[in-house]
Amino acid sequence: NAGVTQTPKFRILKIGQSMTLQCTQDMNHNYMYWYRQDPGMGLKLIYYSVGAGITDKGEVPNGYNVSRSTTEDFPLRLELAAPSQTSVYFCASSSGTGGDRDQPQHFGDGTRLSIL
Amino acid sequence: GDSVTQMEGPVTLSEEAFLTINCTYTATGYPSLFWYVQYPGEGLQLLLKATKADDKGSNKGFEATYRKETTSFHLEKGSVQVSDSAVYFCALRRSGSARQLTFGSGTQLTVLP
Repeated sequence: NAGVTQTPKFRILKIGQSMTLQCTQDMNHNYMYWYRQDPGMGLKLIYYSVGAGITDKGEVPNGYNVSRSTTEDFPLRLELAAPSQTSVYFCASSSGTGGDRDQPQHFGDGTRLSIL
Repeated sequence: GDSVTQMEGPVTLSEEAFLTINCTYTATGYPSLFWYVQYPGEGLQLLLKATKADDKGSNKGFEATYRKETTSFHLEKGSVQVSDSAVYFCALRRSGSARQLTFGSGTQLTVLP
């Protein structure tokens, strides 16, 4: 019962490098999300998707890109890494169907990213 | 815009003590309210929720009541255990949104034996 899987768990990047944070879920959820968590702060929404082929910006999208070509996968791309992007990144998913309109979000274990 | 304010942490309690973590919110309409818990090195897990005024969410001995008149959703537990040590996040979801959550800053709880 994998749930939401994020890779890698840890990564160190140099300023200006690019990378993709992977996220996959096996629960057939329509909704997927990317958050960042800075020390002592709550989670802030970067991007979200309500289904394959559909993405939208959250609260802090600058410096990131996403795609959603399949229901299962929702990768997050950093094109030009900056020190301000040092954070812990969480992917989450939730069902878009069912009688309970507030299906919980299921979170991955996070990717700890440092930009030096 | 929407916002969630949690009491400042960290909170340190002895085992079997009573726990209260305060949470207040600002949002238009009638949001749904949530408490999530994050254990070290893990992602967030839903602890409990309430979707309308006066609802009480409960799970694993934790409770929180949706108080619209005071815009609050305080988390309580009568007798904490060492295993409850974690970071607790209050969150809201505005009605009509694509299930997006707005989180508070989190409260670190440490329970000592």
